[in-house]
Amino acid sequence: EDKVVQSPLSLVVHEGDTVTLNCSYEVTNFRSLLWYKQEKKAPTFLFMLTSSGIEKKSGRLSSILDKKELFSILNITATQTGDSAVYLCAVEANTDKLIFGTGTRLQVFP
Amino acid sequence: SAVISQKPSRDICQRGTSLTIQCQVDSQVTMMFWYRQQPGQSLTLIATANQGSEATYESGFVIDKFPISRPNLTFSTLTVSNMSPEDSSIYLCSSELGAGAEAFFGQGTRLTVV
Repeated sequence: EDKVVQSPLSLVVHEGDTVTLNCSYEVTNFRSLLWYKQEKKAPTFLFMLTSSGIEKKSGRLSSILDKKELFSILNITATQTGDSAVYLCAVEANTDKLIFGTGTRLQVFP
Repeated sequence: SAVISQKPSRDICQRGTSLTIQCQVDSQVTMMFWYRQQPGQSLTLIATANQGSEATYESGFVIDKFPISRPNLTFSTLTVSNMSPEDSSIYLCSSELGAGAEAFFGQGTRLTVV
């Protein structure tokens, strides 16, 4: 059965810290891995990764995929209170469906 | 990406009643997806809705409980029928602009059943 596992489940840090969120997967016919940020209800898109070893960056956020070891990491440097959210990892297979992990709840305190 | 307008944003409903959630996309899309997110949980896919055909439901979800309409390429509805407190969740619709594009979401509907 396809599954996506995220760790840690929750994380509490202070502003300025760097965090690394993990996502591992077992999916048949992998197509892509996506990261989303969920602050209230609607997840907002962060990254889509399809190839191993190519880092994607957006400001203080970056992510990379390892298709051999079946995992991805999301890094956030110099965290701010506005980074507090649930970060969701999802994997898309050839069925066009997204399989979501349970999410990592990040809390950043001043 | 395109924009999905989802409504209502939230509702409090009596048990035994039904609620219909609407999603309007500002572009034509082939597939729309409906998710449920129970408190403290991740997103669980309810069904996939293609225009002109019956929705495809995931294991554990049935059409009688969650009827879906997809009358055209920009609109879909999900009805939560005969509600019980266990149906209290966030419901999200989603779509994508094509193969290989990222999924985007409606604003979500927070449903509380009392």
